[in-house]
Amino acid sequence: NAGVTQTPKFQVLKTGQSMTLQCAQDMNHNSMYWYRQDPGMGLRLIYYSASEGTTDKGEVPNGYNVSRLNKREFSLRLESAAPSQTSVYFCASSEDSPYSNQPQHFGDGTRLSIL
Amino acid sequence: SQQGEEDPQALSIQEGENATMNCSYKTSINNLQWYRQNSGRGLVHLILIRSNEREKHSGRLRVTLDTSKKSSSLLITASRAADTASYFCATGNQGGKLIFGQGTELSVKP
Repeated sequence: NAGVTQTPKFQVLKTGQSMTLQCAQDMNHNSMYWYRQDPGMGLRLIYYSASEGTTDKGEVPNGYNVSRLNKREFSLRLESAAPSQTSVYFCASSEDSPYSNQPQHFGDGTRLSIL
Repeated sequence: SQQGEEDPQALSIQEGENATMNCSYKTSINNLQWYRQNSGRGLVHLILIRSNEREKHSGRLRVTLDTSKKSSSLLITASRAADTASYFCATGNQGGKLIFGQGTELSVKP
């Protein structure tokens, strides 16, 4: 039972490059989330998806796009990476609606550096 | 838009001692959750306390909630070196999503 799996674990990009962070969950959860974690800032929600085919902006969506490919997978794309996007990115899932305030299950993160 | 604020930001104790972390929040909540994050890993859910509950236990963890003061505390009894981690509170709000605080870094020295 893997839970939430994120790939890659580490990545270094140059400014302007693009990349997609992958996330998959095997718990049959309806909702999935992308967060970024920066020192002193805690966790900030980038985008979330309440169900397959739907996505919504979180607190800090600028510079990112997402795709809920199916119930299992939720990807985060940086179209033109900027140094300010250097961060640790976490994917999470929860069983029901984001508004039901259920516990979330997290992956182990992608550590992204943009030079 | 931080809702929960943890206090202290960092805490260092000896093995066997108790560790207490606090979380304050600003608006009405449905529930409050505590998570642990080990270095280099994702957050792990520890315990959830609903707004109509005052205290909850899970093993060596004890969580209290005071809705009149808009605060919660997490007590870890008889701490171990393996408890070294960051601890986050997250508030669940009516019609809203979970909002995480900035965390308390706990160091338990052997």
